[in-house]
Amino acid sequence: KNQVEQSPQSLIILEGKNCTLQCNYTVSPFSNLRWYKQDTGRGPVSLTIMTFSENTKSNGRYTATLDADTKQSSLHITASQLSDSASYICVVRSGGSYIPTFGRGTSLIVHP
Amino acid sequence: GAGVSQSPRYKVAKRGQDVALRCDPISGHVSLFWYQQALGQGPEFLTYFQNEAQLDKSGLPSDRFFAERPEGSVSTLKIQRTQQEDSAVYLCASSWLEHNSPLHFGNGTRLTVT
Repeated sequence: KNQVEQSPQSLIILEGKNCTLQCNYTVSPFSNLRWYKQDTGRGPVSLTIMTFSENTKSNGRYTATLDADTKQSSLHITASQLSDSASYICVVRSGGSYIPTFGRGTSLIVHP
Repeated sequence: GAGVSQSPRYKVAKRGQDVALRCDPISGHVSLFWYQQALGQGPEFLTYFQNEAQLDKSGLPSDRFFAERPEGSVSTLKIQRTQQEDSAVYLCASSWLEHNSPLHFGNGTRLTVT
């Protein structure tokens, strides 16, 4: 069964600090992995996509990594801002299905 | 405004009432998904449409839930005889057919069953 596990479930950091969120998956065959950011009361928005051949991709202060051998991805946030407070959801697509598999998300709170 | 639009934004229903939730996807998007999101949880898959065809409804929790997309554009999620456990945010997302296309989400309908 395709599964996506995220850790930690929640995280509290001080403004300006860095943090790393983890995503492990057992989706097969792998097509791509996306990180979404979901602000409170809003729908998720795509931050970045990782395909099989990509190891690292940056989008501003967000850097995603992918290790397709160990089936792990991380999202690193540099110099956090209050606006980074949100839920971050890892979503993996299988080449054999139209239905992506969602993780439960990591809730990040950035305190001033 | 070219985003996904959902209405109503909030819905309060008495237990036993029927509700209908509407989703206007991005024009031209072939794929349309419905998700249920409980407080503090990730979105849970309900059903998937490709144009007007409902290809997967394995996530619908009971036969009280019904979804349609008759002309391959606007979709409606209907819940009959609502129960308290149906209280959640219902998210709609649309995308192109290609697997590397992102899902574009609406801001959801928050359903509260009293």
